[in-house]
Amino acid sequence: DGGITQSPKYLFRKEGQNVTLSCEQNLNHDAMYWYRQDPGQGLRLIYYSQIVNDFQKGDIAEGYSVSREKKESFPLTVTSAQKNPTAFYLCASRNLGSELYGYTFGSGTRLTVV
Amino acid sequence: AQKVTQAQTEISVVEKEDVTLDCVYETRDTTYYLFWYKQPPSGELVFLIRRNSFDEQNEISGRYSWNFQKSTSSFNFTITASQVVDSAVYFCALSEVNSNSGYALNFGKGTSLLVTP
Repeated sequence: DGGITQSPKYLFRKEGQNVTLSCEQNLNHDAMYWYRQDPGQGLRLIYYSQIVNDFQKGDIAEGYSVSREKKESFPLTVTSAQKNPTAFYLCASRNLGSELYGYTFGSGTRLTVV
Repeated sequence: AQKVTQAQTEISVVEKEDVTLDCVYETRDTTYYLFWYKQPPSGELVFLIRRNSFDEQNEISGRYSWNFQKSTSSFNFTITASQVVDSAVYFCALSEVNSNSGYALNFGKGTSLLVTP
């Protein structure tokens, strides 16, 4: 079945370490997105990419980096510059040509700084 | 500025009560899409409905119904005869065609619904 796979489901990071969250889709979707969720804050856009080798900052990009070397993959790196990385991270994708504007979400990665 | 406002942070109802979740949005686009998602405790987002700005027809799907009113920029969601399984966080979201964010969804802060037996 087509969908988005995020891994790992849970991730623990020591302060000062970089960590990379994986997001893979087999839907042949053009656009991919990373959101961060904090309690009571809703989902906020970190980065998005509409085509391979191109990506744009969202509302809260500081302390994060991404790459889009393949259409199906959009990994997110949480760097040591991100002062408060503990959160729930969701990846999404959509087909730009779809009139339905359907978005598909992964099941999320919960990152905790220890 | 917050483009999607869900003023109700938490709602608690007793099973079988009707409950309405409010959503107010702000946009200058004439073409946009509105969404409702459900997030159960497991964390995944479950798609409920999508509406485009040209379709103001209200919709009913089983116990769910949606009231879209462009005049008040609202897209409210009603659950009839609520059940314990409806307990979740519900998000309203906006996607603007002419935005500079790749049609990314702009989410409200969510409303946490608790349905007790």
